Amino acid sequence: EIALTQSPGTLSLSPGERATLSCRASQSVTSNYLAWYQQKPGQAPRLLIYAASRRASGIPDRFSGSGSGTDFTLTINRLEPEDFAMYYCQQFDNSVPTWTFGQGTKVEIK
Amino acid sequence: EVQLVESGGDLVKPGGSLRLSCAASGFTFSTVWMSWVRQPPGKGLEWVGRIRSKAAGATADYAAPVKGRFTISRDDSTNTLYLQMNSLKTEDTAVYYCTTTFHSDSAGSNWGQGTLVTVSS
Repeated sequence: EIALTQSPGTLSLSPGERATLSCRASQSVTSNYLAWYQQKPGQAPRLLIYAASRRASGIPDRFSGSGSGTDFTLTINRLEPEDFAMYYCQQFDNSVPTWTFGQGTKVEIK
Repeated sequence: EVQLVESGGDLVKPGGSLRLSCAASGFTFSTVWMSWVRQPPGKGLEWVGRIRSKAAGATADYAAPVKGRFTISRDDSTNTLYLQMNSLKTEDTAVYYCTTTFHSDSAGSNWGQGTLVTVSS
C-alpha cells in the first residue's frame, strides 16, 4: 500500500504570503492520481486539486498543484484569510484499489 | 446543486451495529460511484470503502480495517447510500462522510456534512 507523507506538519504564514505544501509518496502514484483537499474546523473536506494539477470546479486560481511520480506540491499564492485551514493530499491506487490520505498540513496565521 | 446528507450516527457499545444513510440529490445518483470516508476526532481522514454504479456491477471495495465488518450498499430508487457497520470497535469512533467520486474514481468531488459515530461502553 502506498503511504503519503506531508510536510511540514504546520506552516505559519501571514496573509498575502505564498504557501508551499509537500506530499511525498512511498511509491510512484499511478497516472498522477493525486488530489488535494482543504478542511476547516467543523466542516467537510473540499476538493481543491485532482490529477495532481487540475483545479476542481469553483476553486480560485491562487491554488495550484504540481508534481509527478512520488513528489507533489500544493501552492497557494497570496494567502487569503479564508485559506488558513488543514490540507490533505490523497492518492488513488487502482491496482488495489484504495484511497490513501496524508496526515495533513495545517496552515496557520503567523 | 449537489447535496449529500448523512444520518444515523449514534452512541453504540463495542460489538454493536449501526446503519448510516446518505441521501443524495442534485445529480443522477444511479450513475455515480460513491465512497465513505471517516475521520476520528482530532485526527486525519481515512477511506472506508466505495460502491460502484449499477452499470459497473454495484460491487464494493473496503479498507482493510473494516473489511468483513462493514457493508456498503445503495438504493438507486431512493437515491440513498448506506453503510452497515457490524462488530463495532472503539477505534471505529469517527465522523463518517459520504462522497461522490469522479475522474476514474480517483477523488472525492462532493462531500456531505458528516455524521458522528461513537463506540464506547
